[in-house]
Amino acid sequence: ETGVTQSPTHLIKTRGQQVTLRCSSQSGHNTVSWYQQALGQGPQFIFQYYREEENGRGNFPPRFSGLQFPNYSSELNVNALELDDSALYLCASSPGYATGELFFGEGSRLTVL
Amino acid sequence: AQSVTQLDSQVPVFEEAPVELRCNYSSSVSVYLFWYVQYPNQGLQLLLKYLSGSTLVESINGFEAEFNKSQTSFHLRKPSVHISDTAEYFCAVRFIQGAQKLVFGQGTRLTINP
Repeated sequence: ETGVTQSPTHLIKTRGQQVTLRCSSQSGHNTVSWYQQALGQGPQFIFQYYREEENGRGNFPPRFSGLQFPNYSSELNVNALELDDSALYLCASSPGYATGELFFGEGSRLTVL
Repeated sequence: AQSVTQLDSQVPVFEEAPVELRCNYSSSVSVYLFWYVQYPNQGLQLLLKYLSGSTLVESINGFEAEFNKSQTSFHLRKPSVHISDTAEYFCAVRFIQGAQKLVFGQGTRLTINP
């Protein structure tokens, strides 16, 4: 069974640029969530996708957007990058809407200069 | 407001000593409770969870946590720690109503000294 995989693992961008992060969910999982973990902080919920529809969003501005594809993989896009966007971005998948457990990937570490 | 508080940002202990990492939450609805562990430069791994049933839950590596509804707590304990337990530990709550999101505490850095 393949776990949650994310790419790239590390990347550096400059202010104002755009970034796309990718996530492949664990086999059989149809729900994907994205979290932002700033240095020294707990993860913060960005949004969740269930069967290609966004069905929950945290307190993040519209320049954070996402997609889920028919194979349940997902993308996180961030436009007009700001210095405070520097963080570890974690993708998590789960096997169904009603379950509580999330399975996390290793994360993509974004540095904005 | 729904929130999770981990009362200690850092906990240093000696190897083979007992440890307790504290977690309290506030919620007006029923919750699921989780502890996740994060080793350096890695993602989060589920340590244990409470969904329903027995309020005492255990992990395969000797950790346990007890759900206390009246005190809205879910403290993590281990009777004897090892060097390999050095990591960041996050308490998380999922509110049963609404989106399947987790609300995390700020984390507790557990450092084991020989």
